[in-house]
Amino acid sequence: QQQVKQSPQSLIVQKGGISIINCAYENTAFDYFPWYQQFPGKGPALLIAIRPDVSEKKEGRFTISFNKSAKQFSLHIMDSQPGDSATYFCAASMMNGNKLVFGAGTILRVKS
Amino acid sequence: DTEVTQTPKHLVMGMTNKKSLKCEQHMGHRAMYWYKQKAKKPPELMFVYSYEKLSINESVPSRFSPECPNSSLLNLHLHALQPEDSALYLCASSQGFGRSTTGELFFGEGSRLTVL
Repeated sequence: QQQVKQSPQSLIVQKGGISIINCAYENTAFDYFPWYQQFPGKGPALLIAIRPDVSEKKEGRFTISFNKSAKQFSLHIMDSQPGDSATYFCAASMMNGNKLVFGAGTILRVKS
Repeated sequence: DTEVTQTPKHLVMGMTNKKSLKCEQHMGHRAMYWYKQKAKKPPELMFVYSYEKLSINESVPSRFSPECPNSSLLNLHLHALQPEDSALYLCASSQGFGRSTTGELFFGEGSRLTVL
């Protein structure tokens, strides 16, 4: 019940295309859903996060869509760029503890 | 640039050595974390310190010993490690741990540990 399932494992997108990564969770007590971006040799960095009181959050080219009833959330990267090539992790946690549960990760490669 | 600084960036040690990893943050955060990350895997939580007290130990073997000397510093003491402990060790910090916090973790760049 603590798992966050992430798909796909890897993704290749043409420059200018849309990258979509999906996550699903079981624990309805989760109320914070961040996405982290990790470049090779670096630590993960927070990209964007959402709470379950909204269905969508957009920051620049990055959008989180959240479906509370389906217990799913997804990351959309519009106009994908080669510089977006990285590993993306979805995660979930509860407000009464910052113990993040990470998804398995998606390796994104944007071809120029 | 990350505001969580980890040293050393790379460490090679034998199974009988004693070494330490260090982490420092100056964001006024009151929670600090150690994570372990294997290649192509997500970070795995090891320890959480909140207000300089150990809050969570994820059943980590005693050959890993954390220490939080003050609110800005976090150490991980290593002794008698095994080759399978080779990994990227990430330090992170957050405003707090628990209610009324943003939940955002700030990660350092990690210390790449190789155990021979």
